[in-house]
Amino acid sequence: NAGVMQNPRHLVRRRGQEARLRCSPMKGHSHVYWYRQLPEEGLKFMVYLQKENIIDESGMPKERFSAEFPKEGPSILRIQQVVRGDSAAYFCASSPLGTSGSWLDTQYFGPGTRLTVL
Amino acid sequence: RKEVEQDPGPFNVPEGATVAFNCTYSNSASQSFFWYRQDCRKEPKLLMSVYSSGNEDGRFTAQLNRASQYISLLIRDSKLSDSATYLCVVAKDSSASKIIFGSGTRLSIRP
Repeated sequence: NAGVMQNPRHLVRRRGQEARLRCSPMKGHSHVYWYRQLPEEGLKFMVYLQKENIIDESGMPKERFSAEFPKEGPSILRIQQVVRGDSAAYFCASSPLGTSGSWLDTQYFGPGTRLTVL
Repeated sequence: RKEVEQDPGPFNVPEGATVAFNCTYSNSASQSFFWYRQDCRKEPKLLMSVYSSGNEDGRFTAQLNRASQYISLLIRDSKLSDSATYLCVVAKDSSASKIIFGSGTRLSIRP
């Protein structure tokens, strides 16, 4: 059973370009969470999605950032017109449970995508 | 004041030593507490949940002090493989957006 997969693992973009980060949850998991980790900081929640639904996007910046989790295929975190401050590690996690019950105990993280904006 | 605070370290201790670190949280309504481990440039992995009564998993012991609003992690007989960053995680409720990660305490075990 493959774990959570993220690609690319490393992404370099120039200011103003678009970044697309992909996340395939573990088999059987229908809940996906995106986090951002700036250097020397903790993970910050960005968005929680189920298939075809955004459940909680309260952690997403208001502009340039969007996320989706289509019926088929991976979840996508899209950052438009990237700026240097977007450079960070972006982690995706999946869980078979939603945000009820002990979902944190069953949340598995992917290896992350390290975005560098030049 | 940060919602979850940790001493960033690094803690540099010899193999076999016992090491402990704390994490303080500001929201007295917090309900769930966890310790995660994160190796350099890797993803975080759940180390253990922290229960009110305290809990132990092998060489690792976690404690919760609600009155003083801190949780602790004790590692006995430390191994070289324990070298990592330990993240304290506090949840106000079960909402994903209410999960707060500390910035971590770096631990380095030397031979």
